Amino acid sequence: DVKVTQSSRYLVKRTGEKVFLECVQDMDHENMFWYRQDPGLGLRLIYFSYDVKMKEKGDIPEGYSVSREKKERFSLILESASTNQTSMYLCASSLKGGTGTGGQYEQYFGPGTRLTVT
Amino acid sequence: AQSVTQLGSHVSVSEGALVLLRCNYSSSVPPYLFWYVQYPNQGLQLLLKYTTGATLVKGINGFEAEFKKSETSFHLTKPSAHMSDAAEYFCAVSGGIRRYSTLTFGKGTMLLVSP
Repeated sequence: DVKVTQSSRYLVKRTGEKVFLECVQDMDHENMFWYRQDPGLGLRLIYFSYDVKMKEKGDIPEGYSVSREKKERFSLILESASTNQTSMYLCASSLKGGTGTGGQYEQYFGPGTRLTVT
Repeated sequence: AQSVTQLGSHVSVSEGALVLLRCNYSSSVPPYLFWYVQYPNQGLQLLLKYTTGATLVKGINGFEAEFKKSETSFHLTKPSAHMSDAAEYFCAVSGGIRRYSTLTFGKGTMLLVSP
């Protein structure tokens, strides 16, 4: 059974702390993604990675950074957590595919990390 | 640029009634279309997807969706709702020439099923 796991289901941090969210996939997927999910706003892409050490900004990268040192692991970093980063964070992975066909592959999601910054 | 509009943030149906969740998309290239479901406190799970070929796509749990290019729509239906269908549903679109196309999601529709 394919699996994407996230290091924590619930996390509470204080304003100004550095926060690490970890994601691991066991499907040998090239692509990995970080989203945040807020009520009424759907899922918004923060960053994604299409290969080890490669990363691309998504729609809302401000205040976040990422790291991908190994193919199976993708980390999201909040350098200095703020209250407006309180949210549900979802990690996903997918196959990459050939030119023009990569978009056909579905993304597999982890269970999410609900982060509260106080 | 791509976008997705889901009509109705909440849809209420009775158990046994038809489920219809609406999705319209905008894409400058031939789209790939997806429906995902999210149960409380869980991640997203793929219901079905359209890539090429047959425009009526069948998915898990009795759901299906029809790709209508002329209407830029990909509505999700199920003939008879079950209580277990209560969840949030997301429509998403991807496409393009890059090998690592990203998904653009709609804002989601919460399906409420009453006895």
